[in-house]
Amino acid sequence: DSGVTQTPKHLITATGQRVTLRCSPRSGDLSVYWYQQSLDQGLQFLIHYYNGEERAKGNILERFSAQQFPDLHSELNLSSLELGDSALYFCASTPMGGGINEQYFGPGTRLTVT
Amino acid sequence: GENVEQHPSTLSVQEGDSAVIKCTYSDSASNYFPWYKQELGKGPQLIIDIRSNVGEKKDQRIAVTLNKTAKHFSLHITETQPEDSAVYFCAPAPEIQGAQKLVFGQGTRLTINP
Repeated sequence: DSGVTQTPKHLITATGQRVTLRCSPRSGDLSVYWYQQSLDQGLQFLIHYYNGEERAKGNILERFSAQQFPDLHSELNLSSLELGDSALYFCASTPMGGGINEQYFGPGTRLTVT
Repeated sequence: GENVEQHPSTLSVQEGDSAVIKCTYSDSASNYFPWYKQELGKGPQLIIDIRSNVGEKKDQRIAVTLNKTAKHFSLHITETQPEDSAVYFCAPAPEIQGAQKLVFGQGTRLTINP
């Protein structure tokens, strides 16, 4: 158990809908990262937050947005969902915002868009 | 940006034999070189990492070797066991304070045959 929690575990929804994925980092970790993992794409970095502020963006679609709250949990919002958005979504946390450290991954949320 | 390639994409070895996975990167600023293991249904977990001031690091049956000149590093697993079956990812990165835009390799599916 990495100490990172993600909810829900599974999510099934229809095209055009909007969903929110939630991540709670390890106690004391200030940084949260979001990743998308689909079968043919491997792990794709989406976005990084540190202590409530956005720090880096990867290949995140404009239909996707994220935020980190004062209690350090983070939410990833996916809207106007398409079939191609079906994937595993992971969040990871690290203790500090600066420098590279081990990332602790959550168990993921499996999103299925039908 | 960083271009990361892993080889091979799949690897099948007999239990007890050794396995080697290679990761090639393009960003000469990279100085942190981790390997993550992802078991079925779980998030990735760091198994070993190395920083650019050393050429090799060993932890029991696993080791990582780094060739910074050639821009590649490798994961070595000796005396493989069935529980080593998983997907392995590399994620080379520069140690930049603050923003971290991580790029993972496409993954190597390792199967240990009993």
